[in-house]
Amino acid sequence: KAGVTQTPRYLIKTRGQQVTLSCSPISGHRSVSWYQQTPGQGLQFLFEYFSETQRNKGNFPGRFSGRQFSNSRSEMNVSTLELGDSALYLCASSGVLNTEAFFGQGTRLTVV
Amino acid sequence: DQQVKQNSPSLSVQEGRISILNCDYTNSMFDYFLWYKKYPAEGPTFLISISSIKDKNEDGRFTVFLNKSAKHLSLHIVPSQPGDSAVYFCAARFGNQFYFGTGTSLTVIP
Repeated sequence: KAGVTQTPRYLIKTRGQQVTLSCSPISGHRSVSWYQQTPGQGLQFLFEYFSETQRNKGNFPGRFSGRQFSNSRSEMNVSTLELGDSALYLCASSGVLNTEAFFGQGTRLTVV
Repeated sequence: DQQVKQNSPSLSVQEGRISILNCDYTNSMFDYFLWYKKYPAEGPTFLISISSIKDKNEDGRFTVFLNKSAKHLSLHIVPSQPGDSAVYFCAARFGNQFYFGTGTSLTVIP
């Protein structure tokens, strides 16, 4: 069974640009969550999608948005990038029982 | 509003000794708790979990303890090995969302 796949692994963008990150969950998983990891801040929850609907949303500005497709793949978009958006962005998928979140390897975004 | 807290950013332990990582939470509605291990440039990987109806769960060298009255969770690693050096995150579930702590960086000294 393939794991959670995130693309790209690394990304460098300049301030003001926008970026789209992609996440393919484990086959059969319908819940996809996104997290931002920065030093000292742990894993900050961005949002969670289930069956193409956003079920939960963290405390991030509207520049951060996401969507989920019918095949459960998800994308996260950040517009008008700021230097502080530099972080590791992690995607996790969960199955029906939701007893574990399976993480991808993350996308390392650097904003210069 | 950090509902799950790991107050020790780092911990160093000698190889062979016990590592104890701690986690506190504020929401009494959390029903499931997990520990994840993370190496640099990789995503977190699941280590061990415990339901809120239990107070202990053991898996090999790893044991998780839950003290609901104190809203406290701990992970014991015995014996500690150099390969255990990583960042450890505790997490708690409420509904369909997981809440993560800020992580504790464990260094096991050979």
